[in-house]
Amino acid sequence: KAGVTQTPRYLIKTRGQQVTLSCSPISGHRSVSWYQQTPGQGLQFLFEYFSETQRNKGNFPGRFSGRQFSNSRSEMNVSTLELGDSALYLCASSLPPTRGGYNEQFFGPGTRLTVL
Amino acid sequence: ELKVEQNPLFLSMQEGKNYTIYCNYSTTSDRLYWYRQDPGKSLESLFVLLSNGAVKQEGRLMASLDTKARLSTLHITAAVHDLSATYFCAVASRNNNDMRFGAGTRLTVKP
Repeated sequence: KAGVTQTPRYLIKTRGQQVTLSCSPISGHRSVSWYQQTPGQGLQFLFEYFSETQRNKGNFPGRFSGRQFSNSRSEMNVSTLELGDSALYLCASSLPPTRGGYNEQFFGPGTRLTVL
Repeated sequence: ELKVEQNPLFLSMQEGKNYTIYCNYSTTSDRLYWYRQDPGKSLESLFVLLSNGAVKQEGRLMASLDTKARLSTLHITAAVHDLSATYFCAVASRNNNDMRFGAGTRLTVKP
């Protein structure tokens, strides 16, 4: 069973540009979450999508947005890039919560974004 | 707001020694996760703890959960170099996939 894939793996942009990152979940997983990891702030939750709808959102500015397609693939977009946006962006997929169950998340390899 | 505190943040151990990493969280939760991250790599799931008193073991690692104390522990037994990595705990509520991570414990096992 293929794991979570993220593209691109590495990206270099300059301040003010915008970027789109892609995440393909494990087959059958319909929930996709995005996280930002930096040395200073650690792992922070960005947002979660399920069935093409944003279900939860972390405390990030509106420059960070995302969407999910009908095949569960997800993209996140960051506009007007700032130096502080340099980070490892991780995507995780999971099955939707079931009654009495849990939804373990499986993480992709991440996209390393560098903003110059 | 759900907050997760991990300690210690840095841990240097000698091979063969035992140690425990602690994870405290601030609000009621019924799912606690432990992950491992190697440098430059993604997160690897180690344990999922779902109920009070849950204990899981894999090799030299054992995780436990006390929901009343809002505390989970990751115990390392007879550490080996291959365990060197950063370990994260994460907490989420049943109906919310918004996971909050601890700051991570960077473990270094020295010969």
